[in-house]
Amino acid sequence: ETGVTQTPRHLVMGMTNKKSLKCEQHLGHNAMYWYKQSAKKPLELMFVYSLEERVENNSVPSRFSPECPNSSHLFLHLHTLQPEDSALYLCASSQVASGGYEQYFGPGTRLTVT
Amino acid sequence: SQQGEEDPQALSIQEGENATMNCSYKTSINNLQWYRQNSGRGLVHLILIRSNEREKHSGRLRVTLDTSKKSSSLLITASRAADTASYFCATDAWNQAGTALIFGKGTTLSVSS
Repeated sequence: ETGVTQTPRHLVMGMTNKKSLKCEQHLGHNAMYWYKQSAKKPLELMFVYSLEERVENNSVPSRFSPECPNSSHLFLHLHTLQPEDSALYLCASSQVASGGYEQYFGPGTRLTVT
Repeated sequence: SQQGEEDPQALSIQEGENATMNCSYKTSINNLQWYRQNSGRGLVHLILIRSNEREKHSGRLRVTLDTSKKSSSLLITASRAADTASYFCATDAWNQAGTALIFGKGTTLSVSS
């Protein structure tokens, strides 16, 4: 788990707050991901950065804004969230290569929106 | 959309027994992976099986893949209480970056001592 770190581990925020989630990978990978995990639902892929280029995901509300300043760091900026956005937010990284790859996950940030 | 669906949703067994979880998916894949998640934590990669492979082993884990039926199974032999976790299958899906994985809802395994 230490290959991918996430901060903070827990976050409680009001609907009018602005906060950011941080992810850092120490594995030399060239792709990073944000996932949302809600109770009783599959992991939802939110954003992908491959070689520091973002892949748009039109189903993610604009109140979530990712940022990838370099291949090791990934942020998720949050503003005017809704209570239904409460979930575990997972960051992952991988080395993109043909023939398959595995993803390494961080421990997650448990977000509660009040 | 292409997605793994695990079966059963929940499984309770005694230590020492074997646990079998199944995964079905909808479209052609390059590979299928299994992940494990302890409660409230990140996922840990267990094993990857490529579309041209039929069976793969890793320690007490055995994974099979049947591309004709679009299904895979994960067998954990001689289970231990520490195997209690949720298990997910994931299939590759090609988007613009060609890098995404699609996860199923998972099987929650409970091993009691």
